[in-house]
Amino acid sequence: GAVVSQHPSRVICKSGTSVKIECRSLDFQATTMFWYRQFPKQSLMLMATSNEGSKATYEQGVEKDKFLINHASLTLSTLTVTSAHPEDSSFYICSARDYAANEKLFFGSGTQLSVL
Amino acid sequence: DQQVKQNSPSLSVQEGRISILNCDYTNSMFDYFLWYKKYPAEGPTFLISISSIKDKNEDGRFTVFLNKSAKHLSLHIVPSQPGDSAVYFCAASPSFYNQGGKLIFGQGTELSVKP
Repeated sequence: GAVVSQHPSRVICKSGTSVKIECRSLDFQATTMFWYRQFPKQSLMLMATSNEGSKATYEQGVEKDKFLINHASLTLSTLTVTSAHPEDSSFYICSARDYAANEKLFFGSGTQLSVL
Repeated sequence: DQQVKQNSPSLSVQEGRISILNCDYTNSMFDYFLWYKKYPAEGPTFLISISSIKDKNEDGRFTVFLNKSAKHLSLHIVPSQPGDSAVYFCAASPSFYNQGGKLIFGQGTELSVKP
């Protein structure tokens, strides 16, 4: 089946630094990728839709200047958490839609971000 | 405003018995529903789905039932196996053709199947 690779799986950083998370579709092209955030014991919340070659679409309440999304190729989307603060500590997960597989969504394994 | 709710955070079932996971939604515009399974430190994997034109969809040991009037769906696993132990997420979409990404997830139910 389709594979979505997300890297890094875990990152610990100091407050004020920026962190980049990569999401790659390994065996299919993904014009659309999605970024979710999950707090412990809560649901996955869609943050933004990443569109190849164009600007990302952010959900209400998500700061686009805080969470920079770049989708420069058909297989790679990146999420950069800028000037991270402890409240940004969360589990971030990406997904990609495989149009050849009946448009199913495939998820990456997630990134646990801890901001000290 | 939680549009998709899984009110049971956990469920424990004996191996071989039936597991029933429940999900309620509030938005009548949802017309496509999915169940995902998630192991620790891994991303969710698709399990089974159902569109609003159906009230039941079956795939092997997994069956999803949809009750539109009650805005309720359930996932039945029969027989349950220890390998089924995971967190199960219910998700809903406002459109079958726009299912990708625009999913609203429930909080998840952690299923534990005991040998």
